[in-house]
Amino acid sequence: TQLLEQSPQFLSIQEGENLTVYCNSSSVFSSLQWYRQEPGEGPVLLVTVVTGGEVKKLKRLTFQFGDARKDSSLHITAAQPGDTGLYLCAGDPGTASKLTFGTGTRLQVTL
Amino acid sequence: NAGVMQNPRHLVRRRGQEARLRCSPMKGHSHVYWYRQLPEEGLKFMVYLQKENIIDESGMPKERFSAEFPKEGPSILRIQQVVRGDSAAYFCASSRETSYEQYFGPGTRLTVT
Repeated sequence: TQLLEQSPQFLSIQEGENLTVYCNSSSVFSSLQWYRQEPGEGPVLLVTVVTGGEVKKLKRLTFQFGDARKDSSLHITAAQPGDTGLYLCAGDPGTASKLTFGTGTRLQVTL
Repeated sequence: NAGVMQNPRHLVRRRGQEARLRCSPMKGHSHVYWYRQLPEEGLKFMVYLQKENIIDESGMPKERFSAEFPKEGPSILRIQQVVRGDSAAYFCASSRETSYEQYFGPGTRLTVT
């Protein structure tokens, strides 16, 4: 069974601070997605990383896929209250079918 | 609305009743996936379907649960004789035939009383 561990589980920071969320596994994934989920809603796809070592930027969010494609990180620069939510990583084992979701990181950004 | 649609958004059933959850994939998407999110737990894969075919149902309980994606119409996740432990948020996702990117609907929140 492939597991994805995210850390930290909870993060409460003030507006303007930087943060990094980690997603780790002992398994190799052919691709990895990051989602953000708000209460009462479905996960919203933020980015997909495919190549080992790949870095993608989405405004103030920077995503990196580990060289061995077993881990990933999400870095947010100058966090804003609108970044508040549950961040989920999800790995695709290579069959383009079921995703294995991480344990989630709940982020709260206060003024 | 070009996104994945799910209905109902909220469903209340008494123990022993049947629950039917519907999912219409994004336009152009032929693959549908169902996931369950239990309170305070992560999203867990249940079943993966293409039109008229179940591709992978390894995450679905063997009893009481079934899923279909007919040639016409939405995908249906059916739960027979619901129990309190079935209370959860059920999410549907869809993808293009050759894509690994899954797009999620808003979910159906099932409450069993």
